[in-house]
Amino acid sequence: NAGVMQNPRHLVRRRGQEARLRCSPMKGHSHVYWYRQLPEEGLKFMVYLQKENIIDESGMPKERFSAEFPKEGPSILRIQQVVRGDSAAYFCASSPPGTSKDGAFFGQGTRLTVV
Amino acid sequence: KQEVTQIPAALSVPEGENLVLNCSFTDSAIYNLQWFRQDPGKGLTSLLLIQSSQREQTSGRLNASLDKSSGRSTLYIAASQPGDSATYLCVLTPIQGAQKLVFGQGTRLTINP
Repeated sequence: NAGVMQNPRHLVRRRGQEARLRCSPMKGHSHVYWYRQLPEEGLKFMVYLQKENIIDESGMPKERFSAEFPKEGPSILRIQQVVRGDSAAYFCASSPPGTSKDGAFFGQGTRLTVV
Repeated sequence: KQEVTQIPAALSVPEGENLVLNCSFTDSAIYNLQWFRQDPGKGLTSLLLIQSSQREQTSGRLNASLDKSSGRSTLYIAASQPGDSATYLCVLTPIQGAQKLVFGQGTRLTINP
């Protein structure tokens, strides 16, 4: 089991471009969480998804941000028209369906830099 | 609303000391409790998971306890080393789906050689 895989690890975008961050959960996990961490700050919840469904997006900015977790393939966090304030580390976590004794597992994050 | 509080926010101790990090929460009935560490510029590494029905877990020099009646968990680090310097996060992780992870703000630990 390769663990939670995020790519790319580092992403540089110019202001106004789009950023697409990918997260492949651990095998057998159907729940995905996205968190953002600004420099020197804690992790802030963004969105919680299950396969093909957004369960909780209360932490997502109202504009420019979207997330999906299709039936096949990784979860995608998409940021349109990036601004410098979007520069942060974005972490993905996954957990299994049903009753879990194993907790959550995190990817290594994608560090987005907007120039 | 679930809340997790970690005290202290930062801690600096000399190498070799035993230390305790504290975590309090409002309601863990439907959660396990998980301790993570995060090194600067890195991801989160799971240290210990205490299932809802358990009271403690141990791994090497680390011991984590869970007292649901008082809403508290502690992470005990024995014989601290400079390599233990990191931010330690206490997280409620759902037992069943449909709940999100609930994070504390973390304790930034510095072990001085």
